[in-house]
Amino acid sequence: NAGVTQTPKFRILKIGQSMTLQCTQDMNHNYMYWYRQDPGMGLKLIYYSVGAGITDKGEVPNGYNVSRSTTEDFPLRLELAAPSQTSVYFCASSLGHATTYNEQFFGPGTRLTVL
Amino acid sequence: DAKTTQPNSMESNEEEPVHLPCNHSTISGTDYIHWYRQLPSQGPEYVIHGLTSNVNNRMASLAIAEDRKSSTLILHRATLRDAAVYYCILREDSGGSNYKLTFGKGTLLTVNP
Repeated sequence: NAGVTQTPKFRILKIGQSMTLQCTQDMNHNYMYWYRQDPGMGLKLIYYSVGAGITDKGEVPNGYNVSRSTTEDFPLRLELAAPSQTSVYFCASSLGHATTYNEQFFGPGTRLTVL
Repeated sequence: DAKTTQPNSMESNEEEPVHLPCNHSTISGTDYIHWYRQLPSQGPEYVIHGLTSNVNNRMASLAIAEDRKSSTLILHRATLRDAAVYYCILREDSGGSNYKLTFGKGTLLTVNP
């Protein structure tokens, strides 16, 4: 299993450009998440999904959009990039059943700079 | 939201035990205590979790106070590879099946050779 994969690893955008951060998991997990991590800070939840076709906002959703058309993929879209979106973006997934064990598996991250 | 408080940083020597504290005085009866760690330039990884009883796994032990207002992550023999930011997180079950984790700043553990 590759686990959670993210592309690209690095990206530089100009203000106002748009891009899609890709996330794929091969563990057949129901739940998927997008976080951002600013320097020296903890992770903040942007959006999450509990299954294909279902998404919900997290703590910092403004400026982002997501879709979940398949179990495996959970892309994050930035429509009008702003310098405040400079951050490291992590995608994660978890099994999500009603159990105490709901470990989240994280991808390696995408480092995004907006200039 | 139930919150946690951790020291900003701690130091340890290699092959010595490390006790990483976490205070969560507003924890509710159904909140699970999770620990994750983040190695440099990597995504976080799960370490351990528990509810009321102490827990052990191959990575660490989790000691939970009887009143559940605090917990301690124990690394029995620190190695250089254990240098990371350690996050203590209360898993909120916000109804239905929404298992969200709220990350704070965590504790930066430095391991000296």
